[in-house]
Amino acid sequence: EAGVAQSPRYKIIEKRQSVAFWCNPISGHATLYWYQQILGQGPKLLIQFQNNGVVDDSQLPKDRFSAERLKGVDSTLKIQPAKLEDSAVYLCASSSDRSSDEQFFGPGTRLTVL
Amino acid sequence: AQSVTQLGSHVSVSEGALVLLRCNYSSSVPPYLFWYVQYPNQGLQLLLKYTSAATLVKGINGFEAEFKKSETSFHLTKPSAHMSDAAEYFCAVSEPYSSASKIIFGSGTRLSIRP
Repeated sequence: EAGVAQSPRYKIIEKRQSVAFWCNPISGHATLYWYQQILGQGPKLLIQFQNNGVVDDSQLPKDRFSAERLKGVDSTLKIQPAKLEDSAVYLCASSSDRSSDEQFFGPGTRLTVL
Repeated sequence: AQSVTQLGSHVSVSEGALVLLRCNYSSSVPPYLFWYVQYPNQGLQLLLKYTSAATLVKGINGFEAEFKKSETSFHLTKPSAHMSDAAEYFCAVSEPYSSASKIIFGSGTRLSIRP
């Protein structure tokens, strides 16, 4: 079974530029999560999707971050414009459904904002 | 709201020695508890989970953790450390019966193994 795929693996941009990350969850997984992991900290949930609907985006900085999962499968997370403090690893995870107690994580995208 | 505290951001043990990584949680309802491991440049991998069954939980790679309600703890142990255990370990908690169930992660403990 293929795992959670993410691209790109690394991205370097300058502040005020835009960037987008892509995630393809495990086939058949209805729930998809985006996390931000700042160096030295644990992952923090940004947004949770159930199929193509948003379940929780309470910690998503909506003035600059957006995410979509239009067809209920893959998802994109966008930052526009980026700030220095957005430098982090962005992790995507999926689970079979919203009540599942196990999430499967992708390798992450390491973003550096200069 | 639930939270976890991992005591010690960095733990170093000798190869073959006991590994003990500490985690204390806070939750207003019976929680689910998890330990995840993260190797360099990789995502998180589930080591083990407690979901209100047996209080002693065995996971992969010889790790185990014990849920102690009286101490609100869920410490991770391994009897004999191996060089391949060097990684970042995250304790996490969720409140599975709340309306907005989500996993909250601790800040992590980096485990180093000395030859």
